[in-house]
Amino acid sequence: TQLLEQSPQFLSIQEGENLTVYCNSSSVFSSLQWYRQEPGEGPVLLVTVVTGGEVKKLKRLTFQFGDARKDSSLHITAAQPGDTGLYLCAGATDSWGKLQFGAGTQVVVTP
Amino acid sequence: GAGVSQSPSNKVTEKGKDVELRCDPISGHTALYWYRQSLGQGLEFLIYFQGNSAPDKSGLPSDRFSAERTGGSVSTLTIQRTQQEDSAVYLCASSLGTGLLNEKLFFGSGTQLSVL
Repeated sequence: TQLLEQSPQFLSIQEGENLTVYCNSSSVFSSLQWYRQEPGEGPVLLVTVVTGGEVKKLKRLTFQFGDARKDSSLHITAAQPGDTGLYLCAGATDSWGKLQFGAGTQVVVTP
Repeated sequence: GAGVSQSPSNKVTEKGKDVELRCDPISGHTALYWYRQSLGQGLEFLIYFQGNSAPDKSGLPSDRFSAERTGGSVSTLTIQRTQQEDSAVYLCASSLGTGLLNEKLFFGSGTQLSVL
């Protein structure tokens, strides 16, 4: 059972288009992280959000943490082929070490 | 090395055999984590070591799974009497262990385990 539901599961877009990935839960998280994972590699942390309503920008990526700290979104502007990968959200609740991961959204950006 | 190192990168074994997976964390990182990733699934928490504290083993799926961390550094995940459902990528991560909300986990490339 996934505490964190990600949608969509798969997204294929053309270079230059925008995309949004969602991460939803009925649980409240003390913090939420977004990772990107490429084939044969471990996930790489992109951002951590800790305050309800927080918005963080990382170049063309915008991350938002919901006011109630139950959901988050990742928006990519003008996607590039290098953005291709599996995007995972992960939330921390009572114990830092036990991050709960979503199943991921596979993003494919074609030239 | 500069990153988290896992070995072997691939392991093929027969059902019923025992396997050991190794993780070398980043030097100075006191926290170490093991996760499992099955095809098409997110990461499943297995076990967490923090300094000299007792590990959090609540994610281990059965008593066939065990892990230890020697000298606060290298960790070994052991799976006894492997089953086909154990086939997955086993990922290790380490972090500074500050316990702060913005703690950054660094993952290794994982061990792909295939049980035939």
